Amino acid sequence: DTAVSQTPKYLVTQMGNDKSIKCEQNLGHDTMYWYKQDSKKFLKIMFSYNNKELIINETVPNRFSPKSPDKAHLNLHINSLELGDSAVYFCASSQEASGGAMSYNEQFFGPGTRLTVL
Amino acid sequence: SQKIEQNSEALNIQEGKTATLTCNYTNYSPAYLQWYRQDPGRGPVFLLLIRENEKEKRKERLKVTFDTTLKQSLFHITASQPADSATYLCALRGSQGNLIFGKGTKLSVKP
Repeated sequence: DTAVSQTPKYLVTQMGNDKSIKCEQNLGHDTMYWYKQDSKKFLKIMFSYNNKELIINETVPNRFSPKSPDKAHLNLHINSLELGDSAVYFCASSQEASGGAMSYNEQFFGPGTRLTVL
Repeated sequence: SQKIEQNSEALNIQEGKTATLTCNYTNYSPAYLQWYRQDPGRGPVFLLLIRENEKEKRKERLKVTFDTTLKQSLFHITASQPADSATYLCALRGSQGNLIFGKGTKLSVKP
């Protein structure tokens, strides 16, 4: 069984288009993330959701809009795609500690979506 | 500003030797540090976590050390095998609870 799955695996599109990437986790985790890995392999957090609420929103253009319909899903919609958006996008999930306690839990990553903007 | 550095982009070693990867950080006081493995075309996979009050952690052929004075973690793979070839990422817990990753070290183990 796949723990964290993403669709599509590859996405090739023209500049200016709008596209979505879907992510689902079946681990029962309460926190999900989107990361961007650029051509230099640098993995950087974009968004984090805990129980469907936005927790982290790094300096990401507002063309990127995450949506979490439920705890198991975190989708990423990108408007007006630009050349610089080409990268691999990873979804991840983890179980955070309750009551504000620090979590030491690992993150589980999906297989990635390679986005190419032409 | 806060920085994480894995000072070798690539490391080539012979099978059977010990691989040692370094992760340095500045302007952080992380509660813990994690190491992940990433294979080409795949997402990172968690390997080990070490807390700030731990000096060393082991798991099979893997060993991680954490020196909060030097602000450095070392990741060792003993008796390395070609199957250990991958990119290894260190990650620190950021102030918002997220992970902040280094750029990774690509390890190649030659038979």
